[in-house]
Amino acid sequence: KQEVTQIPAALSVPEGENLVLNCSFTDSAIYNLQWFRQDPGKGLTSLLLIQSSQREQTSGRLNASLDKSSGRSTLYIAASQPGDSATYLCAVIRALQGAQKLVFGQGTRLTINP
Amino acid sequence: DTGVSQDPRHKITKRGQNVTFRCDPISEHNRLYWYRQTLGQGPEFLTYFQNEAQLEKSRLLSDRFSAERPKGSFSTLEIQRTEQGDSAMYLCASSLAFSGSEQFFGPGTRLTVL
Repeated sequence: KQEVTQIPAALSVPEGENLVLNCSFTDSAIYNLQWFRQDPGKGLTSLLLIQSSQREQTSGRLNASLDKSSGRSTLYIAASQPGDSATYLCAVIRALQGAQKLVFGQGTRLTINP
Repeated sequence: DTGVSQDPRHKITKRGQNVTFRCDPISEHNRLYWYRQTLGQGPEFLTYFQNEAQLEKSRLLSDRFSAERPKGSFSTLEIQRTEQGDSAMYLCASSLAFSGSEQFFGPGTRLTVL
């Protein structure tokens, strides 16, 4: 059974800092890993998708890395801004026939203080 | 707006009543997914369709839950005889039909059962 863990559950940092969010998964047989952002009471916004053959993806101030062999991914946010405050979720799709569901971690609630 | 849409955005009902939610996926997406998210947790997979065929159902989807996608376009999720434990955010996502394709989420329907 695939399990996804995100540590820490909550993080508060001052504006301008660079930060790293962590995600670990127990089964390395994955198709891809997605990072999402969720604002309170809202749906999920896809930030980055890393295919299993890739090591990292970048979008603006965001960089996500993937180490399949160790079952870990990190989301790096550069020069954080108050607008980055949200819950960040990682999720994986297992590389099994017919298994197309995303398995999510519980999320990291990020607060950027002005 | 060409993203995933869901209706209604909020639903308050009394215990024992039936409710139905609708999801309209991105038009060219063959796959449609339903997830449920309770407060402070990551979303959990409920079921998914490829075109009109329901290909996988979670054990979370009790007999009181039924999902349909009759013409391979929009989908409905019905909950019969609602219970307070059904209170959650119900999220819909869609994707193209290849393994590990990126999933795009709608804004969700917040259900409150009194």
